[in-house]
Amino acid sequence: DAGVTQSPTHLIKTRGQQVTLRCSPKSGHDTVSWYQQALGQGPQFIFQYYEEEERQRGNFPDRFSGHQFPNYSSELNVNALLLGDSALYLCASSQGLTNYEQYFGPGTRLTVT
Amino acid sequence: DAKTTQPNSMESNEEEPVHLPCNHSTISGTDYIHWYRQLPSQGPEYVIHGLTSNVNNRMASLAIAEDRKSSTLILHRATLRDAAVYYCILNVGGTSYGKLTFGQGTILTVHP
Repeated sequence: DAGVTQSPTHLIKTRGQQVTLRCSPKSGHDTVSWYQQALGQGPQFIFQYYEEEERQRGNFPDRFSGHQFPNYSSELNVNALLLGDSALYLCASSQGLTNYEQYFGPGTRLTVT
Repeated sequence: DAKTTQPNSMESNEEEPVHLPCNHSTISGTDYIHWYRQLPSQGPEYVIHGLTSNVNNRMASLAIAEDRKSSTLILHRATLRDAAVYYCILNVGGTSYGKLTFGQGTILTVHP
């Protein structure tokens, strides 16, 4: 049973560019959340998707947007990249909105130069 | 967002019990206490959660104070694989459930 998978593993972009990160949830899961983890910090909640809609959002600007597809996979898009967007981006999946256990993927390491 | 306070770091020896404390004095009645851990170069991993009563699972035990203002994660016999950052999180009830607010966590070092 495959767990949460994310692609790509690593990514290097230039300031001002746009980036798309992808996530496939664990089999049987229908809810996807995205987190940003800066070096040495705990993960910070970006947003959560369920039934192809954004259900909750953290304190992130509109440059951060997402999408969930009918197969429950998800994308995170970041526009107009800033140096401060350099971080590990984690995807987590769960079964339903109120499930207590979230399964995290290994993350995508984004470096903005 | 609900806040938790944890020590920055703790150390333990292999095969000894470890007690990781967490203070959450502003907890409200519908907030669940969750613990996650993050091993080096991996995403966080669910450990345990509880509301009011003490909880046990195959990984750990969670002891919750009677007033719910603090809790302790107990690893009964630490192994080298338990070296990780441990996060104590309040999972806010209602419509915000599932939005995990991570703090700095406790870095656990396990000595052989």
